[in-house]
Amino acid sequence: AQSVTQLDSQVPVFEEAPVELRCNYSSSVSVYLFWYVQYPNQGLQLLLKYLSGSTLVKGINGFEAEFNKSQTSFHLRKPSVHISDTAEYFCAVKNEDSNYQLIWGAGTKLIIKP
Amino acid sequence: NAGVTQTPKFQVLKTGQSMTLQCAQDMNHEYMSWYRQDPGMGLRLIHYSVGAGITDQGEVPNGYNVSRSTTEDFPLRLLSAAPSQTSVYFCASSYGQRYTFGSGTRLTVV
Repeated sequence: AQSVTQLDSQVPVFEEAPVELRCNYSSSVSVYLFWYVQYPNQGLQLLLKYLSGSTLVKGINGFEAEFNKSQTSFHLRKPSVHISDTAEYFCAVKNEDSNYQLIWGAGTKLIIKP
Repeated sequence: NAGVTQTPKFQVLKTGQSMTLQCAQDMNHEYMSWYRQDPGMGLRLIHYSVGAGITDQGEVPNGYNVSRSTTEDFPLRLLSAAPSQTSVYFCASSYGQRYTFGSGTRLTVV
């Protein structure tokens, strides 16, 4: 069965510092990978996704993620965070041949310290 | 704007009451789904539909019913609300790898 593990429930970081949010998955088949962001009291917004091709994926708001098939990881990075990046970030996985179902991680709260 | 519309945005129910969460999309997507979001647990799939007249259970279906009489609408029914159903509910529609989420319904069962 598929599963997604987000290793950190909270990540505190100073403003303008770099950040990495970790995501590992388990699957016996090829997958598509997604990162979503949820700002306080709002819905879900797609940050970026990996479908195929280059393993380094660039998304909105300066975020990027790297797909590492051997380590089954899809970590999210930003070189310099801003107070506006305060949000919860979710990693999600879908089998290439599935019935459209997304499997979600538990989420990581990014806390920006001034 | 095209997208997924969920109503209501907030709801308080008493234990044992029933209600329907509405979800409508105008993108002609075949696939629609309902998730619940609980702190520290991410999103969990309740029910999904791959087209009009076709529905199936997800990870946490107990206490919920769905139907899909049209492509546009996918309502979620709580038959007899319980405090354990206090959560934020999201409806989504998708085409291929493109998912669109509603803005959510915050439900409290007292």
